[in-house]
Amino acid sequence: GAVVSQHPSRVICKSGTSVKIECRSLDFQATTMFWYRQFPKKSLMLMATSNEGSKATYEQGVEKDKFLINHASLTLSTLTVTSAHPEDSSFYICSARGLELTQYFGPGTRLLVL
Amino acid sequence: SQQGEEDPQALSIQEGENATMNCSYKTSINNLQWYRQNSGRGLVHLILIRSNEREKHSGRLRVTLDTSKKSSSLLITASRAADTASYFCATEETSGSRLTFGEGTQLTVNP
Repeated sequence: GAVVSQHPSRVICKSGTSVKIECRSLDFQATTMFWYRQFPKKSLMLMATSNEGSKATYEQGVEKDKFLINHASLTLSTLTVTSAHPEDSSFYICSARGLELTQYFGPGTRLLVL
Repeated sequence: SQQGEEDPQALSIQEGENATMNCSYKTSINNLQWYRQNSGRGLVHLILIRSNEREKHSGRLRVTLDTSKKSSSLLITASRAADTASYFCATEETSGSRLTFGEGTQLTVNP
């Protein structure tokens, strides 16, 4: 299957700093990328949908100024958690979708805000 | 809110036994997908079944879809200890391409 990578896989930062997470589709062009958040032993919650070259569509309750999403190319989307706080600590997972119906998921990024 | 509800929440079986997990949803869908997640890892796509399909097989996996009951089941036959993971169903609604995930079933296969 298609490969999606995320970087970094794990990040620890101080409260108040910003963290950028990259999501790359390695062997296909992703017209749409999705960002999810997952709390321990819980399901995935969709945060936003981004289409290449256009603004992301955020789910209800997700602050767009807090979670900045950029989908500048067909193989790269970034999520920036601005002014991170301990409650932003979570597992962030991206997925990418090309012309097929299947979404391919990245391995996730574990964020810990101290 | 999550529209997928999975049943059971946790399942523990012996190696060699079959495991069945169920998923119910509320809205009209284009397709339903099953994913597997090992602890602390990303999701692995297992199988996709379209709304006009009733059953699909892939190796030891068998998925059924009943759109009249808005439910799906995932059967893993001859389970192995390596099948231990969380399994999620996800529905793609007819209104768009976003996936809505169920709460997941934690499967433990004891050797």
